[in-house]
This record gives sequence, C-alpha cells and structure tokens, in this order.
Amino acid sequence: EVYLVQSGAEVRKPGESLNISCKPSGYTFTSYWIAWVRQMPGKGLEWMGIIYPGDSDTRYSPSFQGQVTISVDKSISTAYLQWSSLKASDTAMYYCARSRDGYLNWFDPWGQGTLVTVSS
Amino acid sequence: DTQMTQSPSSLSASVGDRVAITCRASQNIRKFLNWYQQKPGKAPNLLIYEASTLQSGVPSRFSGRGSGTDFTLTIDSLQPEDFATYYCQQSYNTPLTFGQGTKVEIK
Repeated sequence: EVYLVQSGAEVRKPGESLNISCKPSGYTFTSYWIAWVRQMPGKGLEWMGIIYPGDSDTRYSPSFQGQVTISVDKSISTAYLQWSSLKASDTAMYYCARSRDGYLNWFDPWGQGTLVTVSS
Repeated sequence: DTQMTQSPSSLSASVGDRVAITCRASQNIRKFLNWYQQKPGKAPNLLIYEASTLQSGVPSRFSGRGSGTDFTLTIDSLQPEDFATYYCQQSYNTPLTFGQGTKVEIK
C-alpha cells in the first residue's frame, strides 16, 4: 500500500526558517511527482508546486514562487517544503500528495498534513 | 490561471437524498477535472479523476460527468459518511487550481 507520512506540527516565530518533510512508502520514490498543497485555516486548497524526485524538476505556482523551496533527498526518499523566513500568513496546514503519471494530474494518496503555526 | 468555480458553496441534505455539485472552469479544460472529499481534520481523498472515472474503492453512489468547462459530481442516496466538503481540481494546465469547495451538511 502507498503511504505518504509527513513530519509533525511546528510552531515558529516570524522570520524563522523551517523545513517540513514528506516520506512516501510503498512505491519507487523517484518515479512519481510529489505536490505540496496549502490549506489556510477554514479555507480551501491551494496548489503550491510539484517536484519530480527522479531529476528534481520542479514547478511552482506563481503565488508561491520565491516564497518557498521544494526539494528532495533521494538518498532517504524524502521530499521537503522549506521556508527561509516565515510570516504569520504562512500559518496553515500543508499537505504533500503523489501525482499520478506526470505533473498535470490528480493527487492520490495524500499525506496526513503538517500544521505550521507562525506566531510571535 | 484557470479559475474553478463551484456551486453551491454549501448545501443541506438528508440521508438518502440525491445531491449534485457543479464545477465550472474559466476555460476549456477538456476532461481534466478531478473531485476530492475532505472530512474535518483529515486530508482530502480522491473520488473521481478525469471527470468521470471512479477511483478504486470509492462507492458507486458517487459519479462524475462533464467536459470542457462544465462538470458535475453527483451523490446518489447520500449516506451519513458523505457529509463533508467536496473540491474540484483542474489538471489541464499549471498552476493546478481547485474550486473553493462545497460543504455538504446534514439537514
């Protein structure tokens, strides 16, 4: 069975950096794109970007380009979402999800989500 | 960006009702429309992909139709476990975009 397991909840102050992780299992890590999706409190889903672990080809939503970095570490089959300087407006639940056959596709399965809280 | 507009934003229905949720794209997205269900505190779950293909394991009371700009998710005989928020998502072009969601509540 395919699973994506995300790292635990984080609390940070504005201006701090943060990495959250997503570790898939049950399939070959380098063969499928992994997307990141934001859900702000009480709001809908927003596609942030997507990466192909095989060659680190990455596409960002214009809304998130320059605001976050998506990366992978193939040696430990893990994908990351990174911030260099958090803002209060980054407070949200973040999901990773596997994309089926290419980056223009549906997402299944999803990780359980990582709640990021940014507050002074 | 391709804008996705769902209607209604929320609805109240009873167990056993037939429910339809529509999703309209701001441009022709052919068949590249997917539907998800999200329950409170949980990650979204794929229901239907490419407009009408039921994901494995999803009950047959869920169905999808449409192409181009207009799509519909139908739930036949609503069950207690179907009360949730439903999102459409286009996978025709980047940035991939979601509808704003439709919350299905118990009447």
